[in-house]
Amino acid sequence: QSALTQPPSASGSPGQSVTISCTGTSRDFRGYSYVSWYQVHPGKAPKLIIYEVNKRPSGVPDRFSGSKSGDAASLTVSGLQDDDEADYYCCSYAGSDNFVFGTGTRVTVL
Amino acid sequence: QVTLRESGPALVKPTETLILTCTFSGFLLSTSAMCVNWIRQPPGKALEWLARIDWDDDKYYTTSLRPRLTISKDTSKNQVVLRMTDMDPVDTATYSCARGCSSSGFDFWGQGALVTVSS
Repeated sequence: QSALTQPPSASGSPGQSVTISCTGTSRDFRGYSYVSWYQVHPGKAPKLIIYEVNKRPSGVPDRFSGSKSGDAASLTVSGLQDDDEADYYCCSYAGSDNFVFGTGTRVTVL
Repeated sequence: QVTLRESGPALVKPTETLILTCTFSGFLLSTSAMCVNWIRQPPGKALEWLARIDWDDDKYYTTSLRPRLTISKDTSKNQVVLRMTDMDPVDTATYSCARGCSSSGFDFWGQGALVTVSS
């Protein structure tokens, strides 16, 4: 199972928005709404920020939003803040009781 | 408060078997719809899902590593154990356990344990 493809980096100034794409094959996303996104600060445990494509766990601000269309999912971070600077990973249920992560995107707040 | 913590050797030799333990608190793996996963991240590389064990003892493995992996649980100790045979330097990674089943995402993670494979 190959990793889902994400851009290596994305950036924006404070207050701006950044969108991260997560692309795979039709098998990765077809019929599944089990796409999740994780924020990873250096040296810290990953934090779940989106699950089931567009749902936010309790405590995650609504500046984080997710969507899926066809063979791609995306995460949008609006109103960028300094603390949003981190690595972001998508993850999808890939069938056959397997999960696959994305390659990861480093978000920089300029 | 949900917490998970990984423990195991920091260094293993090639061909050896790695045994990692995830000790958790704040939930019961005997409760319906509870699952614990193992996920690893080689230095500078992406996350990779390895295995999952469910409350009903169902077990799932990543296809590429299935022959080498065994996941098990001890509900009385609130522990999940991952066994990985025939370790190779390419298996050098931070190994983490995380709670979550198919749809809910991995909502709580341990800090991870760095395992280096070297002779």
